[in-house]
Amino acid sequence: TQLLEQSPQFLSIQEGENLTVYCNSSSVFSSLQWYRQEPGEGPVLLVTVVTGGEVKKLKRLTFQFGDARKDSSLHITAAQTGDTGLYLCAGDETDSWGKLQFGAGTQVVVTP
Amino acid sequence: SAVISQKPSRDICQRGTSLTIQCQVDSQVTMMFWYRQQPGQSLTLIATANQGSEATYESGFVIDKFPISRPNLTFSTLTVSNMSPEDSSIYLCSGILVGTGGTDTQYFGPGTRLTVL
Repeated sequence: TQLLEQSPQFLSIQEGENLTVYCNSSSVFSSLQWYRQEPGEGPVLLVTVVTGGEVKKLKRLTFQFGDARKDSSLHITAAQTGDTGLYLCAGDETDSWGKLQFGAGTQVVVTP
Repeated sequence: SAVISQKPSRDICQRGTSLTIQCQVDSQVTMMFWYRQQPGQSLTLIATANQGSEATYESGFVIDKFPISRPNLTFSTLTVSNMSPEDSSIYLCSGILVGTGGTDTQYFGPGTRLTVL
């Protein structure tokens, strides 16, 4: 099993500030996904990164996949209260038929 | 996209009883999975629900404790058997929808919050 380490565990910032969440592994993943989960709901997919060095932008969210496909980061610019949630990275193991290995999650709280 | 619903959304059960959770998808999905999650924490994969055959369980999970059925491409059930307080958790099902260009997306249900007294 490939272990995904996510940091920080908890992040509290004010509206307008920037934040970065990291996801690291010693192993290579064929793809890596970022989810956001709100209380009482299931995780919702934000993005999938596949190619080493890939950068994807989703409005104020920027996702990066490391060159070696072992790590990823999520950067939020000018955070809003609606960005509050549990952010989870998940790696798709090679030949795993879609099974995901989840990181521990980062709880982000954005205050007004 | 796919919409996944789960029943019940929450339940409080007595020790020693069993609960069956239903998962319904509005589209035909290739793979279906069952996860367990403590509030605010990560997801742990319980098993892959295989259509028409026995589920594939992850290390630490066994069929006698978590029997799973998947009679077709849109429906699955997970039973938590002979429950103890340690089984209190959120149980989520998910399904993979094959997208265009070979990109697959995994959709999750809202979860079933189980409390065992």
